[in-house]
Amino acid sequence: GIQVEQSPPDLILQEGANSTLRCNFSDSVNNLQWFHQNPWGQLINLFYIPSGTKQNGRLSATTVATERYSLLYISSSQTTDSGVYFCAVQNRGSTLGRLYFGRGTQLTVWP
Amino acid sequence: DTAVSQTPKYLVTQMGNDKSIKCEQNLGHDTMYWYKQDSKKFLKIMFSYNNKELIINETVPNRFSPKSPDKAHLNLHINSLELGDSAVYFCASSQDGTSGRAKETQYFGPGTRLLVL
Repeated sequence: GIQVEQSPPDLILQEGANSTLRCNFSDSVNNLQWFHQNPWGQLINLFYIPSGTKQNGRLSATTVATERYSLLYISSSQTTDSGVYFCAVQNRGSTLGRLYFGRGTQLTVWP
Repeated sequence: DTAVSQTPKYLVTQMGNDKSIKCEQNLGHDTMYWYKQDSKKFLKIMFSYNNKELIINETVPNRFSPKSPDKAHLNLHINSLELGDSAVYFCASSQDGTSGRAKETQYFGPGTRLLVL
């Protein structure tokens, strides 16, 4: 299967700081999603972004499919941004819907 | 107005027991999934169903058996529970993509925290 590597594994920020999370993948993809798992365990889909750039409020994401990476930007971070951020991909040729998850970036935002 | 719901939220049971987890989605999606999240938070797909048909069946012990009575429901039955089955189990759903296209965004339920003693 496809390899998905996320960095950094842990990130600690002060409220108001900006951050960039990275997701590298080892094969061509036709599906890439970013998820946020909050401290209560709920998984929330942030972006469906197999290519290009999207923005949603303070969050934005960019996927450069030809170079096999995606970036998640968090600006003016808030304590509610804390949690684990996962990147998940589906590579071309795999069964539709079969997502491979990275191991996540644990983000802690202090007030 | 919950999109993907799971019951129960917590399940504590003894080794050797049989248990079921239920999942329902009201999004009108055609595809449903079961994922397992281990103690290190690694998420891995177990099964997926599309319109009640099994599509993905990962290498999981055959003690795990999914059942989809209709496309809005996907249940997971686990026989002879073992200590290593302790994990969080997530149900998810997505709208079926058109022919040749990848399925789109997956929406996750709140998870079922299973603890086997």
